[in-house]
Amino acid sequence: QQQVKQSPQSLIVQKGGISIINCAYENTAFDYFPWYQQFPGKGPALLIAIRPDVSEKKEGRFTISFNKSAKQFSLHIMDSQPGDSATYFCAASGVLTGGGNKLTFGTGTQLKVEL
Amino acid sequence: DSGVTQTPKHLITATGQRVTLRCSPRSGDLSVYWYQQSLDQGLQFLIQYYNGEERAKGNILERFSAQQFPDLHSELNLSSLELGDSALYFCASSQSGRGGQEQFFGPGTRLTVL
Repeated sequence: QQQVKQSPQSLIVQKGGISIINCAYENTAFDYFPWYQQFPGKGPALLIAIRPDVSEKKEGRFTISFNKSAKQFSLHIMDSQPGDSATYFCAASGVLTGGGNKLTFGTGTQLKVEL
Repeated sequence: DSGVTQTPKHLITATGQRVTLRCSPRSGDLSVYWYQQSLDQGLQFLIQYYNGEERAKGNILERFSAQQFPDLHSELNLSSLELGDSALYFCASSQSGRGGQEQFFGPGTRLTVL
């Protein structure tokens, strides 16, 4: 029940196109859904996050869409650029017994943006 | 740069040995988290500390232990190392330890066990 399922595993998009990565969760106690971007040899960097009281959040070219009833959320990268080529992870967290804050990660999507 | 620092960047050691990984959180953050990233297991939560106390535990092996010191830096100790412990180990920090807090990751320590 703690899983977060992410798809696709890899994605190739043309420069200027839209990249879409999807995630689904099972645990209804999750109430915070961040996306992380990771370049080779670097740590994951927080990109954008959403809470279930809104259905969409936009920051620049990055948008999270959230569907609470379907228990799904997705990342849209508009006008994708070669510099966006990286691995993207969705994650989820919720209130744990004792007040902890662990992140449960999806398996990652390797995005390549071609010229 | 997230403001989270980790040392060393790389560590090569042999099976059966013990190593210590160190993490300093962002200024003002009270909570520290440890994650393991491997090709077969992905990013897995190990353990969380808040202001010196253990707050949450994941699938951390008994051979692994951690602590957070009064100055808020944290150390992850890995003992009786096995080949399968080779992975990237990340530290993250957040302002508080409550659910839904933003976590900022350090650059990681790459551990290779030969």
